[in-house]
Amino acid sequence: EVQLVESGGGLVQPGGSLRLSCAASGFTFSDHYVEWVRQAPGKGLEWVGRTRNKAHSYMTEYAASVKGRFTISRDDSKNSLFLQTDSLKIEDTAVYYCARGGGWYMDVWGKGTTVTVSS
Amino acid sequence: DIQMTQSPSSLSASVGDRVTITCRASQSILSFLNWYQQKPGKAPRLLIYTTSNLPSGVPPRFSGSGSGTEFTLTIGSLQPEDSATYFCQQSFVLHSFGQGTQLEIK
Repeated sequence: EVQLVESGGGLVQPGGSLRLSCAASGFTFSDHYVEWVRQAPGKGLEWVGRTRNKAHSYMTEYAASVKGRFTISRDDSKNSLFLQTDSLKIEDTAVYYCARGGGWYMDVWGKGTTVTVSS
Repeated sequence: DIQMTQSPSSLSASVGDRVTITCRASQSILSFLNWYQQKPGKAPRLLIYTTSNLPSGVPPRFSGSGSGTEFTLTIGSLQPEDSATYFCQQSFVLHSFGQGTQLEIK
C-alpha cells in the first residue's frame, strides 16, 4: 500500500523549532518529488515547499512565507522526508501534510501532523 | 506569485444536481491546474490533474475543463458523498491553491 505518515508535531513557543518527519512506503521514494502543504485551523491549503528527486539534484523550493525559516531535506535510504521549522510564528500553527509529487500534482497524501505555536 | 481565485466560496445543491465550480488564475497557467477534494478531518484527495484527467478510482461524474486562466470543475450528478471542500491548485510556477469551495448537500 502506498502510504505517507507524518510525525513530529506538537506545541512549541513562538521563536522555537520543530522537526517534522514523513515516512514513505509502498513506492520508490527516490523517484519522486515530495511536498509539504499546511492548513491553518479552519483555513485553506498552503503550499510550504518541496524537494525534487535525485534526477533533479534534490533541489528544494519554498513558499515566500517560510523561506529562510524552514528547511526541507530527505533521506532516500530511509524513505524519509523532513521539515525543519525554525523561528516559528503563531501563524505557522497548522496541520502539516506531506504529499507525493509528480512535479505537476500531488497524488498521495499523509494524514498530517499538527503544529501549534503558542506561548 | 500566481494567485488562484475560486467561485463560489460555498454552495448548496441537491442530490442529482449538476454543479460547477470555477477557478481563475492571475496569469496563464496553460493546463497546469489540479483539483482536490477534502472532507472534514481528512487529508486532501487528488480529484483531477492537469485540467481534465481523472486518477484511478475517481468517479466519472467528476470532470474538469479550461485552459489559460479559467478552469471549471463539474460534478455531473451530485451524490451525498460529494459533500466536501474543493480546492484548485496551479503547478505552472511552484504551487498555489485557491481558497476553497465548500459544497453542501441540501
